[in-house]
Amino acid sequence: EDQVTQSPEALRLQEGESSSLNCSYTVSGLRGLFWYRQDPGKGPEFLFTLYSAGEEKEKERLKATLTKKESFLHITAPKPEDSATYLCAVQPPSNTGKLIFGQGTTLQVKP
Amino acid sequence: DVKVTQSSRYLVKRTGEKVFLECVQDMDHENMFWYRQDPGLGLRLIYFSYDVKMKEKGDIPEGYSVSREKKERFSLILESASTNQTSMYLCASMSSNQPQHFGDGTRLSIL
Repeated sequence: EDQVTQSPEALRLQEGESSSLNCSYTVSGLRGLFWYRQDPGKGPEFLFTLYSAGEEKEKERLKATLTKKESFLHITAPKPEDSATYLCAVQPPSNTGKLIFGQGTTLQVKP
Repeated sequence: DVKVTQSSRYLVKRTGEKVFLECVQDMDHENMFWYRQDPGLGLRLIYFSYDVKMKEKGDIPEGYSVSREKKERFSLILESASTNQTSMYLCASMSSNQPQHFGDGTRLSIL
């Protein structure tokens, strides 16, 4: 069964303390892996798409990487405004655009 | 920028009522999706549509139906609302090989 697992469920960091969020997946024939950011009371906001092992994408303090079994979202020197829930989703081989979401990691960055 | 608009941010209805949730996108996307999001369960797909008048069941379609009469509009219908349908409902749209873009959600309470 296709599955996405994110860890940890919650993460508290001090401002400037770098860390990584993990997304492990079991899906045959990955079409794409997506990272989203979700603020309280809002819909998920798209961050990155990764398609193949070894690929990396960066945006400000965030960097996403992909291996054959997992993806990492690295947060370098986070600021309080990086506090949010980060969602990982994978797209299986079907052509429908359906995504399978992990349960998310809630990040809190304290000043 | 892609804009996905959900008609209500907050909605309160009574058990047994027929409830309509509306979603409109402005980017001529073929695919549209309805999810519900619950604490500890993540995003779960209810229904999706890949073209006008076309629909497919997602993972949790029971108690819901959908309508897509125009390309830009995708409606979620709760035929007879029940308290276990209290949730955050998220609509998303996408074009082929592009990420899904989400609306800001409708927080629905069934009393």
